[in-house]
Amino acid sequence: NAGVTQTPKFRVLKTGQSMTLLCAQDMNHEYMYWYRQDPGMGLRLIHYSVGEGTTAKGEVPDGYNVSRLKKQNFLLGLESAAPSQTSVYFCASSRYALTGGATGDTGELFFGEGSRLTVL
Amino acid sequence: SQQGEEDPQALSIQEGENATMNCSYKTSINNLQWYRQNSGRGLVHLILIRSNEREKHSGRLRVTLDTSKKSSSLLITASRAADTASYFCATGGGFKTIFGAGTRLFVKA
Repeated sequence: NAGVTQTPKFRVLKTGQSMTLLCAQDMNHEYMYWYRQDPGMGLRLIHYSVGEGTTAKGEVPDGYNVSRLKKQNFLLGLESAAPSQTSVYFCASSRYALTGGATGDTGELFFGEGSRLTVL
Repeated sequence: SQQGEEDPQALSIQEGENATMNCSYKTSINNLQWYRQNSGRGLVHLILIRSNEREKHSGRLRVTLDTSKKSSSLLITASRAADTASYFCATGGGFKTIFGAGTRLFVKA
């Protein structure tokens, strides 16, 4: 059981280049998320999806686009990379949208191992 | 925006000692969660405590919640070198999860 898998793990881009990060989960979760992690700032939500074919903006969506064509995949795209997008990107999934659902629901997020992106 | 703020930012202890990390938050919550992140890895969920609970245990972990003070603490007893990681508190859940900046714990063997 792989859980949440992100590719690529590392990437270096030049300013203005485009790229796509792929996230795949095998837990049949409805909800998927893309976060970025920067030193001293915790994790910030970029975009999320509440089901196949849906996407929504998070806290820091500018400069990113996402797509959820299949339930198990969530893609994060950078159309024109900027140095400010240098970060570690994490994909996550959850069974429930909010905690407090069915009995035993911990509301936990399951994370991938991260993708380190450097924009020069 | 950060809902939770951890204290201290970094903590260094000897193996076998207890480690205590604190989290303060700003608004009312339904629950608070703690996650661990090993260096270069993703976050892993440790424990959730609901707003009507005051204390919860899981193995060597003990979490307390004081809603009147809007604070929570994570205690790791008898720490091991393998506990070296960053620890994050998080409020909300799902797409409303808000993470603090984390406490970096270093356990010396």
